[in-house]
Amino acid sequence: DTGVSQNPRHKITKRGQNVTFRCDPISEHNRLYWYRQTLGQGPEFLTYFQNEAQLEKSRLLSDRFSAERPKGSFSTLEIQRTEQGDSAMYLCASSLADLYEQYFGPGTRLTVT
Amino acid sequence: EDQVTQSPEALRLQEGESSSLNCSYTVSGLRGLFWYRQDPGKGPEFLFTLYSAGEEKEKERLKATLTKKESFLHITAPKPEDSATYLCAVQGIQGGSEKLVFGKGTKLTVNP
Repeated sequence: DTGVSQNPRHKITKRGQNVTFRCDPISEHNRLYWYRQTLGQGPEFLTYFQNEAQLEKSRLLSDRFSAERPKGSFSTLEIQRTEQGDSAMYLCASSLADLYEQYFGPGTRLTVT
Repeated sequence: EDQVTQSPEALRLQEGESSSLNCSYTVSGLRGLFWYRQDPGKGPEFLFTLYSAGEEKEKERLKATLTKKESFLHITAPKPEDSATYLCAVQGIQGGSEKLVFGKGTKLTVNP
């Protein structure tokens, strides 16, 4: 069990550019979650997958955000036409179907200049 | 809407000085209450899950308790390495949502 991994760990981009983040969950976990965290705040839920199906999306997930989990393994989160307000830590978590604990990765810190 | 409020926002302790962190919550129906530890620049690290009022869990110097309205994280004889932000989160049963709703956290500093 190597834990949840996320890449890249840091991303600096210019406003208007597209960015994509990757999350590799714990291998036997079938549930995968994306959260966003800004300074001084707790993580905020964005979206959730069970296997390859995206089952829940937050109203925070605007049209510029899209997430996928092909084949129910790794997941990607893409942000199109980035804005300065998108600067945050993007966290991925995974869990087993019958257990509720979500295990988080190290996060990807996005800075939009 | 599920809500979590943590207090205090920040807490400074001397090494060995025990204290408690508070997490007040409102939720339509509680599936679980979770405590996480987060170090600067890192993702939250899972500590405890509590499911029902009266439940208690312990791990080293930490003990978490749960009532119908709040949870406490008791820290006994803390050490400098316990310095971190402690996050509380709830998962409700309404609508079958799997999301965790987090508080803003309590930043704990333990001085040697």
